[in-house]
Amino acid sequence: EPEVTQTPSHQVTQMGQEVILRCVPISNHLYFYWYRQILGQKVEFLVSFYNNEISEKSEIFDDQFSVERPDGSNFTLKIRSTKLEDSAMYFCASREGPQGNQPQHFGDGTRLSIL
Amino acid sequence: ELKVEQNPLFLSMQEGKNYTIYCNYSTTSDRLYWYRQDPGKSLESLFVLLSNGAVKQEGRLMASLDTKARLSTLHITAAVHDLSATYFCAVDIYNQGGKLIFGQGTELSVKP
Repeated sequence: EPEVTQTPSHQVTQMGQEVILRCVPISNHLYFYWYRQILGQKVEFLVSFYNNEISEKSEIFDDQFSVERPDGSNFTLKIRSTKLEDSAMYFCASREGPQGNQPQHFGDGTRLSIL
Repeated sequence: ELKVEQNPLFLSMQEGKNYTIYCNYSTTSDRLYWYRQDPGKSLESLFVLLSNGAVKQEGRLMASLDTKARLSTLHITAAVHDLSATYFCAVDIYNQGGKLIFGQGTELSVKP
């Protein structure tokens, strides 16, 4: 079964450094998402992306965050200058279309640790 | 702002028992999803509920949706240890790019 793949699985970065998290969505999917989950807490929406542009973003997704689909397969989340509070599990998700019967499929996540 | 609330947040059950997890949400939506998360793992889609009165069953789990009450339930029948995980409900705001708003999660522990 096709799946969403994320790399790396764990990223350790010094505070203030830039980090790029990578995702390969399922190939025929058109809608892409990033979520984060701080340890022990609920999953929070960051951003949705369709047709090469951001559809919606949350308050968490400030100027330090950006997303890009640099080619036909990758979908990246960049954090320009990381803070301690950015430490979390970051999940990429994709969905085939906007219909409700098409759930979002999640990758295994990248655990980001900011030192 | 849409709020999604689950209860209970922690549930310790004995094998063979039945229990229900509740998911309340604060705005109109007829798209609700249940996901399972094992520790340190991703979110696995369990159920897609798209209309009032929808009921889906898979093995020992059954999910239902009441859009008028803005309530979904996840019922566990004759629990087994393999069901131990965290269960999340999520509501789809489809006119906002399809973002999901998640509940806090219910951590289920099934003991022999």
